[in-house]
Amino acid sequence: NAGVTQTPKFQVLKTGQSMTLQCAQDMNHEYMSWYRQDPGMGLRLIHYSVGAGITDQGEVPNGYNVSRSTTEDFPLRLLSAAPSQTSVYFCASSYSVLAGGYNEQFFGPGTRLTVL
Amino acid sequence: AQSVTQPDIHITVSEGASLELRCNYSYGATPYLFWYVQSPGQGLQLLLKYFSGDTLVQGIKGFEAEFKRSQSSFNLRKPSVHWSDAAEYFCAVGAGGFKTIFGAGTRLFVKA
Repeated sequence: NAGVTQTPKFQVLKTGQSMTLQCAQDMNHEYMSWYRQDPGMGLRLIHYSVGAGITDQGEVPNGYNVSRSTTEDFPLRLLSAAPSQTSVYFCASSYSVLAGGYNEQFFGPGTRLTVL
Repeated sequence: AQSVTQPDIHITVSEGASLELRCNYSYGATPYLFWYVQSPGQGLQLLLKYFSGDTLVQGIKGFEAEFKRSQSSFNLRKPSVHWSDAAEYFCAVGAGGFKTIFGAGTRLFVKA
C-alpha cells in the first residue's frame, strides 16, 4: 500500500492563479480531510469528506473547494491564490466514520505552497 | 468551544532524560484524545489514542499518556528520550461532527 499520497510536493503560485492539490489513498478509507499547517497554529481543518459525493466545510474553508467523486481521491482546489494561503497542506484519511471520525488519521507527506 | 492547548512551544531535554509534554483540552463530553508526532518534512504519525477505559495508554516508540478528567489534561510521557525523538508533537481532540482539533504543537529538541 502506498498509503496517502499528495502531489505536488512543492508549488509556487502568483497571486490570482488557481491550482489543484491532489490527494489519493489506497486504503479504502471513507473519511478524508485537508488541513493547513502554519507556524504556531497547528493544523486547521479546511474541508472534509465522509464518503464519495459527500463533503463539508471545516474551520478555514474560504478560498478552497473540494469534491469527492471516488473513494480514493480528494483534490483541493485553490480558486484564486492569495499570499495568505502560503502554507503546508496535508491530506489525511481515516478508515471509518462510525466513531464520528475520531479514528486514527493517516497523513500524506504534505504540499508546501508559496503564493507570491 | 472545543480547544486544545499545548503550553510549551518548545522543550529541550538531554538524551536519556525523562520527558513530559503537556496538553489541556476543552470539550463538553467524553473526549477522544490523540497524540501525533511529526518529523521534519514529514506528515503526522499517530503515537497513541484514548477513547475510553484505562486512563493510562501506551503508544509506539515507548510513549505513554495519562488522561486526567479532573484536570482536562492528556500529558505525554517517555521515561528515557532518544536523539531520534526530536520532532514536533501534536495533541488533538475529536471535536464532534467528524472534526479533529489540533493543538499548536510542541517542538522537542534533544541534546547529547
